[in-house]
Amino acid sequence: SQQGEEDPQALSIQEGENATMNCSYKTSINNLQWYRQNSGRGLVHLILIRSNEREKHSGRLRVTLDTSKKSSSLLITASRAADTASYFCATLADRNSGSRLTFGEGTQLTVNP
Amino acid sequence: DAGVIQSPRHEVTEMGQEVTLRCKPISGHDYLFWYRQTMMRGLELLIYFNNNVPIDDSGMPEDRFSAKMPNASFSTLKIQPSEPRDSAVYFCASSFGAWTEAFFGQGTRLTVV
Repeated sequence: SQQGEEDPQALSIQEGENATMNCSYKTSINNLQWYRQNSGRGLVHLILIRSNEREKHSGRLRVTLDTSKKSSSLLITASRAADTASYFCATLADRNSGSRLTFGEGTQLTVNP
Repeated sequence: DAGVIQSPRHEVTEMGQEVTLRCKPISGHDYLFWYRQTMMRGLELLIYFNNNVPIDDSGMPEDRFSAKMPNASFSTLKIQPSEPRDSAVYFCASSFGAWTEAFFGQGTRLTVV
């Protein structure tokens, strides 16, 4: 079963706007990761946030993690048409649960030029 | 490094035939993962290896599926006999360490007719 659930399933915005995607999960985690997938391609790692971190930045990406609510958000600022892709959150469970990187259903982001 | 290399990129086969998917992980990575992606079920972890040893194969759907990693630079996922419901994109990924990001190959799109 999928550990993470993304919200919304689909998001359509205009170029220049910010895009926010949310992820909820069920069990305790070691870290949470966000990946991007362009149509017909493999997944590309974007950012990793550890369970003891609350916020992380990478370029136009900002990720937050709330372990008490078991949720994370990915913010893409000043979006571009090239950001159009599916975005997945993935959780790595705690050490006792092994190294299973479990993916959510994904959010399809469309950035209109 | 060329990244994770999967072959073939596309495979069309008839029901009942044996299918072998191949993966070359990134040199030096000690974890290798096989995932399956479908519209209905999303990204599912089938099996993962650590230092060539299968650690968790609980995601392998049936005995028709088998995976091997004879050495650090090569892994195969075999389906015998194949069925139409096996049609999906199969991804191989590798990572260095248990709690880090995974690097994905471009995937093999399998169609069983």
